[in-house]
Amino acid sequence: EIVMTQSPATLSVSPGERATLSCRASQNVGSYLGWYQQKPGQTPRLLIYGASTRATGIAARFSGSGSGTEFTLTISSLQSEDFAVYYCQQYRDWPLTFGGGTKVEIK
Amino acid sequence: QVQLQESGPGLVKPSETVSLTCAVSAYSIRSDYFWGWIRQPPGKGLEWIGTVSHSGTTFYNPSLRSRVTLSVDTSKNQFSLRLSSVTAADTAVYYCASQYCRGGCYQFDYWGQGALVTVSS
Repeated sequence: EIVMTQSPATLSVSPGERATLSCRASQNVGSYLGWYQQKPGQTPRLLIYGASTRATGIAARFSGSGSGTEFTLTISSLQSEDFAVYYCQQYRDWPLTFGGGTKVEIK
Repeated sequence: QVQLQESGPGLVKPSETVSLTCAVSAYSIRSDYFWGWIRQPPGKGLEWIGTVSHSGTTFYNPSLRSRVTLSVDTSKNQFSLRLSSVTAADTAVYYCASQYCRGGCYQFDYWGQGALVTVSS
């Protein structure tokens, strides 16, 4: 099983600042990686797939990078609606696995 | 755009079997999508349960394989999850989701609103 590790667990950021979230895979997953956003009480929403491609309707301030075992989600200028929990997920191999999540909170 | 809606009992007793159904609308279940289940215990992260194709091919999380059965009903455009011998640890919001699969399987594009299942006597 491929283990996905996200860091930090919590990130405190002021509105307008940049947020950088990390995701590490225990094995090479190529670019078979997605990022999801989940706001309190809401369903997860796909942000990024293929490690770097924004899903339909996702704002340009969200960007993904990386390949292999190291990945990054960057939010260039945090808006109030971006405070949420973010999960990475690999789909390189079964079983599919998610990271534990990074909570982005207001500083 | 795929629309998904879970349904099932909100409360289940320990040791019983819980059954959930996900109705797919605005899209044919016989498509390039496979159909997955993900759960989230209260206050915790996401756990993939399993994925099923429209032809009935299944992929399961090894940690749940012995207790999970996924199935598809193409006539009703819906798919289902059965989880047996439930305990309090199975209390979670259960999401159904569509997973694009063509030449490989990829991300979960669309998600249902989730169904809370509470295991309690």
